[in-house]
Amino acid sequence: EVQLVESGGGLVQPGGSLRLSCAASGFIISNRYMSWVRQAPGKGLEWVSVIYSGGSTYYADSVKDRFIISRDISMNTVYLQIYSLSAEDTAVYYCVVHLGGVRGSEAFDPWGQGTQVTVSS
Amino acid sequence: IQLTQSPSFLSASVGDRVTITCRASQGISNYLAWYQQKPGKAPKLLIYGASTLQSGVPSSFSGSGYGTEFTLTINSLQPEDFATYYCQQLSGYPITFGQGTRLDIK
Repeated sequence: EVQLVESGGGLVQPGGSLRLSCAASGFIISNRYMSWVRQAPGKGLEWVSVIYSGGSTYYADSVKDRFIISRDISMNTVYLQIYSLSAEDTAVYYCVVHLGGVRGSEAFDPWGQGTQVTVSS
Repeated sequence: IQLTQSPSFLSASVGDRVTITCRASQGISNYLAWYQQKPGKAPKLLIYGASTLQSGVPSSFSGSGYGTEFTLTINSLQPEDFATYYCQQLSGYPITFGQGTRLDIK
């Protein structure tokens, strides 16, 4: 069974940093595209970053230069390092796997349970 | 690519048929997915490729469309269908979502 378990969220002061982890099981992360998606309280879904099976990475403009996505293949874990946190980064952060084949990415499935990041002094 | 869902709020009764529309600001072929989200839970994939039902999703859900206009239809609403629905485009980066449609019980 494919499963994603996020961790690393918490309460952080403005300007602080945090590293989120997404431990995967049931598949090998280097064979799939994986993304992070966030959802601010009472708001919609926002794609944040992707790491391709080959290791290339892309970011939303809103987080570029502050977020770094990476992976440890030996741990089958994807990470999201977040710097210079502000209140606008307060959200639940979800790890997702891209569903797709020869047509490329067609959806996100499955999703992890999410980890809450709260930025406040 | 911006996605605009309509309506943003929808009130319906058990047994009703409802349709949610998602319009893209430019053509996205059929790289369109639909998700259902319940409070405190992660989104659940319903449909991808605009019309392909994800395994395990009831056949009461269906999707259609191509290019810039897409629809999600739910036939014979069940109590567990009351939730928020999002469309998503994966035609290009940044991947974007619609603003959501909240479906409430009338």
